[in-house]
Amino acid sequence: DTGVSQDPRHKITKRGQNVTFRCDPISEHNRLYWYRQTLGQGPEFLTYFQNEAQLEKSRLLSDRFSAERPKGSFSTLEIQRTEQGDSAMYLCASSLVGSDTQYFGPGTRLTVL
Amino acid sequence: DAKTTQPPSMDCAEGRAANLPCNHSTISGNEYVYWYRQIHSQGPQYIIHGLKNNETNEMASLIITEDRKSSTLILPHATLRDTAVYYCIVRSLQSNAGNNRKLIWGLGTSLAVNP
Repeated sequence: DTGVSQDPRHKITKRGQNVTFRCDPISEHNRLYWYRQTLGQGPEFLTYFQNEAQLEKSRLLSDRFSAERPKGSFSTLEIQRTEQGDSAMYLCASSLVGSDTQYFGPGTRLTVL
Repeated sequence: DAKTTQPPSMDCAEGRAANLPCNHSTISGNEYVYWYRQIHSQGPQYIIHGLKNNETNEMASLIITEDRKSSTLILPHATLRDTAVYYCIVRSLQSNAGNNRKLIWGLGTSLAVNP
């Protein structure tokens, strides 16, 4: 058990709907990362936070995607107007500043019908 | 960050050592080698990392060649639960500057441990 939790574990939605995922990092970790993983591929970076500041965003993160970490603790990832191509596993990880060891949660599997 | 090359798949008999290779010929002096694994439908799990010296922990050993252009992850007594995709990632341990903290993942090696 890495200590990173994600909710929900599975989400099925219809195309065009909005979805929101939550990540709770390991309590003392000040960095939080979001990745996306499609079948047969390695994870792809989406964005990361240091405390409440969003410091980097991938070009994969289109205007339909938004992530927040308002109090520097948990984070949410929202996808608006979902498309079938958004179907993937969404992974959250956390780490301490000064360490590149990222600890991952179990992921949220999104299926867009 | 340097790129890595791994074989797409490997087999290992249960109880035997699993030796997973990784080539990182363009690695630079300040770049570490990280290994993660991902069991089917789970999040990636950190295994081990190293710079130039061999490292060992409760999960595995990491052997890095003297020229640092390749490394081998060793699972000394593989079990069925070690069946997973193993990822080798190379990255620099920069200062606390905010940017470029992401991990860049390849396709990894799919290890099948057979009974």
